[in-house]
Amino acid sequence: EMQLVESGGGLVQPGGSLRLSCAASGFSFSSYWMHWVRQAPGKGLVWVSRIKGDGSDTRYADSVKGRFTISRDNAKNTLYLHMNSLRAEDTAVYFCVRDGDAYNFDFWGQGTLVTVSS
Amino acid sequence: QSALTQPPSVSGSPGQSVTISCTGTRSDIGSSNRVSWYHQPPGTAPKLMLYEVANRPSGVPARFSGSRSGNTASLTISGLQAEDEGDYYCSSYTESSTSLWVFGGGTTLTVL
Repeated sequence: EMQLVESGGGLVQPGGSLRLSCAASGFSFSSYWMHWVRQAPGKGLVWVSRIKGDGSDTRYADSVKGRFTISRDNAKNTLYLHMNSLRAEDTAVYFCVRDGDAYNFDFWGQGTLVTVSS
Repeated sequence: QSALTQPPSVSGSPGQSVTISCTGTRSDIGSSNRVSWYHQPPGTAPKLMLYEVANRPSGVPARFSGSRSGNTASLTISGLQAEDEGDYYCSSYTESSTSLWVFGGGTTLTVL
C-alpha cells in the first residue's frame, strides 16, 4: 500500500526554523518527482516546491524562495522541507505530494500543521 | 487571491449534474492541457480526480468528466452522490515566473 507520512510540524515563533519530513513507502520513491503543497487554515491549496527524483533539480514558489529548501534522501525514502525565517503567513498544513508524471499531483499525504506565532 | 477563479459553492440533489468552472489566463489554462482537478472531503487530504483536462485516474468513476475551452476548464459531476460532497480544486501548470503550478480558490459542493 502506498503511503506518504509527514512529520515535524508544530508551533514556531516568527523568524524561527523548522524541518518537515515525509516518509514514503509502497512505491519506488527515487523514480518520482516530489512536491510540497500547503493549505492555510480555511484557505485553498498553494504549491510550494518541487524536487526531481535524484535531487538534482529543485524549484520554489516566489513566496518561499530563499527561505525554504527542499531535499530528499532516497536511501531513507524520505522527503524534507527545511523552513527558515518563518512568517505568520507560512502558517498552514503542509502536504507531501507525489508527482503524477502528467503535470498533476497523484498521491497526497495527510499533512502536518505548521503554526508560526509568538 | 488565488490565481485561478472558481465559484465558491455549488449544490445539487442526488442524481443531478453539476459543473464547476475554473478560469485562468493564457499563461496557464489557456496554454496547454495541463489542468487537473482534486476532491478534498472535510478534514482529509486532496485526491486527484482528473488530469490533462479530462483523463480519469484508475478508480475514479466515469461520472466525473472534464473539458477546456480557451482559458476556462470545467469539471462536471453527473449522477450526484452524497460521497461527492466536499471541496474541489482545479490546478494548472503555468509558465508564470512566480510559481510552476497554480490552484483555484476551491468550490464547495453540497449534495442537498
